[in-house]
Amino acid sequence: RKEVEQDPGPFNVPEGATVAFNCTYSNSASQSFFWYRQDCRKEPKLLMSVYSSGNEDGRFTAQLNRASQYISLLIRDSKLSDSATYLCVVSSPYNTDKLIFGTGTRLQVFP
Amino acid sequence: DTAVSQTPKYLVTQMGNDKSIKCEQNLGHDTMYWYKQDSKKFLKIMFSYNNKELIINETVPNRFSPKSPDKAHLNLHINSLELGDSAVYFCASSTRDRGPEAFFGQGTRLTVV
Repeated sequence: RKEVEQDPGPFNVPEGATVAFNCTYSNSASQSFFWYRQDCRKEPKLLMSVYSSGNEDGRFTAQLNRASQYISLLIRDSKLSDSATYLCVVSSPYNTDKLIFGTGTRLQVFP
Repeated sequence: DTAVSQTPKYLVTQMGNDKSIKCEQNLGHDTMYWYKQDSKKFLKIMFSYNNKELIINETVPNRFSPKSPDKAHLNLHINSLELGDSAVYFCASSTRDRGPEAFFGQGTRLTVV
């Protein structure tokens, strides 16, 4: 089983739509969770950290379910500029400096 | 005012050659990393240094040798390049004060021919 699993997509959605991505992780002892965004041929950039209580940043909402080892990202009112690959990231429970990346979910927002 | 910068951005070289990639960060972070992103876009950690000390060394061929002359710099030297080394190599940095969230350089696209 992969350490971090994501549906690769692509998710093709119209502008203004709400879209949700899910991610599962294998090690229940993991402590830190993130969503990164990667545009085509660019570096990954931190989108948001994910906290147990859930957190929101504008149109983006992240949720963590430790019991199910499941992380989600919800994007409301999708914009064309949201088109990118969204990477689910979990820190290793054995070495918190080590980030383990999922393979990413590709989002394409069309007009 | 680039935070994490890598050079070169593109590198095309022949099999068997030796090449280096340089990385510098001006964020004052104490931890630096090398990641490899292969053709399937899978991003995987290779090495990590904290205050010039090697703390993560994943299963990487010993043809790859990182060097950290100070905590703002982490270079990657690759000997005897092989076709399978073609990938995008990302440098990143973080600070333990803020947790493991990492800031990435723009990447070095290495093509071995």
